[in-house]
Amino acid sequence: NAGVTQTPKFQVLKTGQSMTLQCAQDMNHNSMYWYRQDPGMGLRLIYYSASEGTTDKGEVPNGYNVSRLNKREFSLRLESAAPSQTSVYFCAGTSGGSGETQYFGPGTRLLVL
Amino acid sequence: RKEVEQDPGPFNVPEGATVAFNCTYSNSASQSFFWYRQDCRKEPKLLMSVYSSGNEDGRFTAQLNRASQYISLLIRDSKLSDSATYLCVVNTPTGNQFYFGTGTSLTVIP
Repeated sequence: NAGVTQTPKFQVLKTGQSMTLQCAQDMNHNSMYWYRQDPGMGLRLIYYSASEGTTDKGEVPNGYNVSRLNKREFSLRLESAAPSQTSVYFCAGTSGGSGETQYFGPGTRLLVL
Repeated sequence: RKEVEQDPGPFNVPEGATVAFNCTYSNSASQSFFWYRQDCRKEPKLLMSVYSSGNEDGRFTAQLNRASQYISLLIRDSKLSDSATYLCVVNTPTGNQFYFGTGTSLTVIP
């Protein structure tokens, strides 16, 4: 099993460009999450999807959109990238219960110039 | 007030030492608690869940104090391989979201 995979691993964008970060899991997770991690800030939740077909805002959703394409895939889109979106983005999944372990992808390092 | 607060450290300890990290959380209705480990430039990975009765996994012991709303992690007989950032994680009462502390950096020195 591949677990949770993310593409791309690295990306450099210019301000105003758009891109989609892809996340896929083969662990049969019901819930999936997108986080960003910045120095001194810890991981902050951008959006999550508690189940296929549903998405909800997290702590820092502004400037992002998400799509839960199917149970396996959860994508994060930046419509008009800004330097403040320079960060490391992690996708994660759980089977859904409150005590469940989150399994993370390897991360996408994004630099917006 | 942040949902989860941790002392960022860094903690620099010699091999064999015992080190303890604490974490406080703000929502008294939180149900689940975890410690994750994150190595440099890698993804977080579960170290251990934290149960009300406390739990131990080898050299690692986790405790939960609901009355004071804090969680602790004790590492005994520190190894060089324990060098990492340790993240305290608390979930929301609904169970749908997880809040992460900023992490505590540990370096174990030979």
